[in-house]
Amino acid sequence: DADVTQTPRNRITKTGKRIMLECSQTKGHDRMYWYRQDPGLGLQLIYYSFDVKDINKGEISDGYSVSRQAQAKFSLSLESAIPNQTALYFCATSGGQGLGYTFGSGTRLTVV
Amino acid sequence: DAKTTQPTSMDCAEGRAANLPCNHSTISGNEYVYWYRQIHSQGPQYIIHGLKNNETNEMASLIITEDRKSSTLILPHATLRDTAVYYCIVREGLSNFGNEKLTFGTGTRLTIIP
Repeated sequence: DADVTQTPRNRITKTGKRIMLECSQTKGHDRMYWYRQDPGLGLQLIYYSFDVKDINKGEISDGYSVSRQAQAKFSLSLESAIPNQTALYFCATSGGQGLGYTFGSGTRLTVV
Repeated sequence: DAKTTQPTSMDCAEGRAANLPCNHSTISGNEYVYWYRQIHSQGPQYIIHGLKNNETNEMASLIITEDRKSSTLILPHATLRDTAVYYCIVREGLSNFGNEKLTFGTGTRLTIIP
């Protein structure tokens, strides 16, 4: 099993629909992150969480919300999807300062 | 925010060493340099990181200049599977409860030529 699992892998949704992307990890790490990647560009941070009670906005949090249901689970929601949210979404986890990140395989989201 | 500058693309012959440069002239004294790679829309993969000393692991070596304003990632014997986008990142934030996050640029697209 992968250390970081994202579901679904691919999703097509209509404008205005609510959608949730889920992420779970088996690393036992406290820190979890959601990133977005647009074609040909680097990753942009949406939200991050240092523990279950800690949620922080990243660079591009508008239009998104998150929920940290447990240490191992961090979900990303689009309350009302719009076409410019079409992108590849990655969840990541980290063990803390000085340690690398482990990324999931990504969710490819298309909003039509 | 500390910024990095990398070439947009590079080619390297299979079996040769791939040397990927990165400039980070505004790096602070306690900021680390991280390298990740991303193979065709997969999740980025951690390669190596360092503070001031050169580092080596099973994947690569990281050479950081004495003034820490630049670094080089070395893949000693490149294979076709090393074709990917390589990101050089300076980690922001200092403390365990600080603003620790990674800021990804556009990276270097490395193509290994058979």
